[in-house]
Amino acid sequence: KNEVEQSPQNLTAQEGEFITINCSYSVGISALHWLQQHPGGGIVSLFMLSSGKKKHGRLIATINIQEKHSSLHITASHPRDSAVYICAYGGSQGNLIFGKGTKLSVKP
Amino acid sequence: DAGITQSPRHKVTETGTPVTLRCHQTENHRYMYWYRQDPGHGLRLIHYSYGVKDTDKGEVSDGYSVSRSKTEDFLLTLESATSSQTSVYFCAIRRRGGGYTFGSGTRLTVV
Repeated sequence: KNEVEQSPQNLTAQEGEFITINCSYSVGISALHWLQQHPGGGIVSLFMLSSGKKKHGRLIATINIQEKHSSLHITASHPRDSAVYICAYGGSQGNLIFGKGTKLSVKP
Repeated sequence: DAGITQSPRHKVTETGTPVTLRCHQTENHRYMYWYRQDPGHGLRLIHYSYGVKDTDKGEVSDGYSVSRSKTEDFLLTLESATSSQTSVYFCAIRRRGGGYTFGSGTRLTVV
């Protein structure tokens, strides 16, 4: 049973659209991570957050600790945003517990 | 960013042969991790290390062993590779602020 659920699994958008990816988890956590993986590429950390909201450029991440839910928003999406977005939280061994990812494709 | 290098980047090996993947970091981080990434499963923890000679098993450790004789190097060994170990392997370090940095991955194919 995956303890981190992401939705949608796949998402296709037109350039310029506002995008939301959702992440739900089932346990109490201290921090949630959002990661990005381009096709054939490595994994890059986008955000680590434990409350409220963080913004970096066109990316915004929010978390509601009480509801065990986080969202990643992309404003004015661009084809270069096409990637797999993964949410994760810290496990008991100091490792990350990952969702299965949301594959985003932004069409020009 | 934290210097973290994985080698090799790609490897094709035959069933039954031993394979060692290397993860090298340059910033003296204590915690290092090996994950594998497979379609439909996401990333899963194989082994991790919390210091020199201190390692422990993760969720999918069967068929794998690790060693950490120096802070900067964390080695993952497949003693006798099987086709089920065909995967993309990622090393990661946990930074002091709580964030993580990942290596570029090793694509391993066992034929």
